[in-house]
Amino acid sequence: GAGVSQSPSNKVTEKGKDVELRCDPISGHTALYWYRQSLGQGLEFLIYFQGNSAPDKSGLPSDRFSAERTGGSVSTLTIQRTQQEDSAVYLCASSLTSKGEAFFGQGTRLTVV
Amino acid sequence: RKEVEQDPGPFNVPEGATVAFNCTYSNSASQSFFWYRQDCRKEPKLLMSVYSSGNEDGRFTAQLNRASQYISLLIRDSKLSDSATYLCVVLSGTASKLTFGTGTRLQVTL
Repeated sequence: GAGVSQSPSNKVTEKGKDVELRCDPISGHTALYWYRQSLGQGLEFLIYFQGNSAPDKSGLPSDRFSAERTGGSVSTLTIQRTQQEDSAVYLCASSLTSKGEAFFGQGTRLTVV
Repeated sequence: RKEVEQDPGPFNVPEGATVAFNCTYSNSASQSFFWYRQDCRKEPKLLMSVYSSGNEDGRFTAQLNRASQYISLLIRDSKLSDSATYLCVVLSGTASKLTFGTGTRLQVTL
């Protein structure tokens, strides 16, 4: 497809389990962002990948969160030992740095029970 | 100070009204600016870019004031379908990173 694709669209997991969220950016986009959004709140920046540069991890809330981007394309966000406060929509976006506009996927709704 | 700041609203306006949102940013070296729109339970979508000279797209006008470091969005003749959260976005830094404001909620009523 032409857009940013995220999977799964919904994920329910038990507290303490690990989860992996996937993002397929638009082909050729060098920048990739992960955000999370709790109900009724704004976007919370998590991590930013730009080409081959070291990722900006300044938004990751704890060491239970990690992300990687393989081959400059697909990215996975991993949350270890999930907690109830991790419940949110996790949004991925990609952009061509030279233009700057970011295009979002539809998000993964994570519910930790 | 937050990198990008917006009044959260909500702004409640009647159909046909003109409404304006402002946004301030802290990095004077910021390179590009955008307004996004986010509908309830949907992902944000680009509404328009903001150019130095100001730009218009139908009922929407965006302006940039670099000296005061603020961006504005004006919506004329508001429609019910304009009800959404409007996000101010700034591209800055050597890594060209996008930073989102927390958004301003608009509710247009009959």
